[in-house]
Amino acid sequence: EAQVTQNPRYLITVTGKKLTVTCSQNMNHEYMSWYRQDPGLGLRQIYYSMNVEVTDKGDVPEGYKVSRKEKRNFPLILESPSPNQTSLYFCASNFGGLGNSYNSPLHFGNGTRLTVT
Amino acid sequence: SQQGEEDPQALSIQEGENATMNCSYKTSINNLQWYRQNSGRGLVHLILIRSNEREKHSGRLRVTLDTSKKSSSLLITASRAADTASYFCAAGAQKLVFGQGTRLTINP
Repeated sequence: EAQVTQNPRYLITVTGKKLTVTCSQNMNHEYMSWYRQDPGLGLRQIYYSMNVEVTDKGDVPEGYKVSRKEKRNFPLILESPSPNQTSLYFCASNFGGLGNSYNSPLHFGNGTRLTVT
Repeated sequence: SQQGEEDPQALSIQEGENATMNCSYKTSINNLQWYRQNSGRGLVHLILIRSNEREKHSGRLRVTLDTSKKSSSLLITASRAADTASYFCAAGAQKLVFGQGTRLTINP
C-alpha cells in the first residue's frame, strides 16, 4: 500500500531533550516536506527536500533540522525542543521534480502530536 | 503570507444537503488543490484544478475556479455524516500554500 509513515504518533518530551520524528514513503517520491499545524495558523511548511541531499527552508525553519540521505526517508530533528514547538507535525511527499512539487497532489502521513513541557 | 483563505471557517448542515466552501488567494497560480482532514489525521487530497480549467468534478465533489476573482469553490452534494471533516484549499504557485480550513459538520 502506498503510504507515508510517520513515527511516533504521539510524543511527550521535556525542554532541551533532542528528538527525531521519522518519515518514510514507499512511492519513490522525489519531493518531501514537513509541516506543522497549529490552531488558527493552518499548515506551515518547516523544511522541504526536492531530492536526496537537497533540502531547503520553508516558512518556519527555526529550531528544526532535516536530512535526506535516502530517497525514502526524511527525518525531522529538534536539537533542543522548546514549548513553542508543541504542535501537530505532518510529513508529506509527491513526485515533485523541478517546478512540479506544487503541481501534483501531496500524500500526507498521519501526523505526530508533539508536546514539549 | 497566506495564499489560500477559506470561507466560512465553520459550516454545519443537515445530512443530504449540499455544502459549499470558498477559497480566495492572492497571487497568480498554476493550480489549486482541495484536501480533507478528519480530526487529527493527515490531509487527504481530493481534487486538483489547473489554472486553465474552470470546473472539475469528482464523484459528489464539484470544484470551480475563477482566476479573474482569484477564488475557488468546493461543492459537496448530497452530504453524508462521513463528510464531517475540515477542508483545506492549497494554492500552487512556486510553492503550495495552505489556508486555515473550513470545518464542516454534517448533522444526521
